[in-house]
Amino acid sequence: EPEVTQTPSHQVTQMGQEVILRCVPISNHLYFYWYRQILGQKVEFLVSFYNNEISEKSEIFDDQFSVERPDGSNFTLKIRSTKLEDSAMYFCASSPYGTTSSTDTQYFGPGTRLTVL
Amino acid sequence: LAKTTQPISMDSYEGQEVNITCSHNNIATNDYITWYQQFPSQGPRFIIQGYKTKVTNEVASLFIPADRKSSTLSLPRVSLSDTAVYYCLVGDYEKDTGGFKTIFGAGTRLFVKA
Repeated sequence: EPEVTQTPSHQVTQMGQEVILRCVPISNHLYFYWYRQILGQKVEFLVSFYNNEISEKSEIFDDQFSVERPDGSNFTLKIRSTKLEDSAMYFCASSPYGTTSSTDTQYFGPGTRLTVL
Repeated sequence: LAKTTQPISMDSYEGQEVNITCSHNNIATNDYITWYQQFPSQGPRFIIQGYKTKVTNEVASLFIPADRKSSTLSLPRVSLSDTAVYYCLVGDYEKDTGGFKTIFGAGTRLFVKA
């Protein structure tokens, strides 16, 4: 069964450093998403991406964040200058048709644990 | 945005049937109801989705009354491995922007005991 993959599984960085989290969505999917989950808290939507542009973003997704699909397979989340409060699990997800259809199912990756020191 | 309300936690024993109810009073006409499961340190995993009445798959059943203001996820004969957080989601289509945000609530933490 195809699955979403994410690398690295764990990233440790110093405050103020840039990090890039990588995801490989399921190959024939069209919509891609990033979420984060601070330890012990709920899953929070960050951004959705379709047709090489951001479809929707949350209040969390400020100018420090950016997303990119540099080639036909990877989908990345960049945090320009990390803060302590960016420490969280970051999940990538993809869906076949996109969330303009409320029937669409999202497939989540295993996550990247980001630790900012 | 439609908001969902679920119990914070539930306990059960192996072999029992577990029913988790979610309230979504402001559900829109074209919204579907989707349930996800999340194990610790893993991403959420789709369980089941429905629009009305009853839906059943190999994992669970979903009961939706006629007014669609609530839904109940039913897990038959749970095992220890069903210990997880269960999230109920309804559509969150942003009509102004044409985009779509997926909003997870706090979920229901199910703990299955031996």
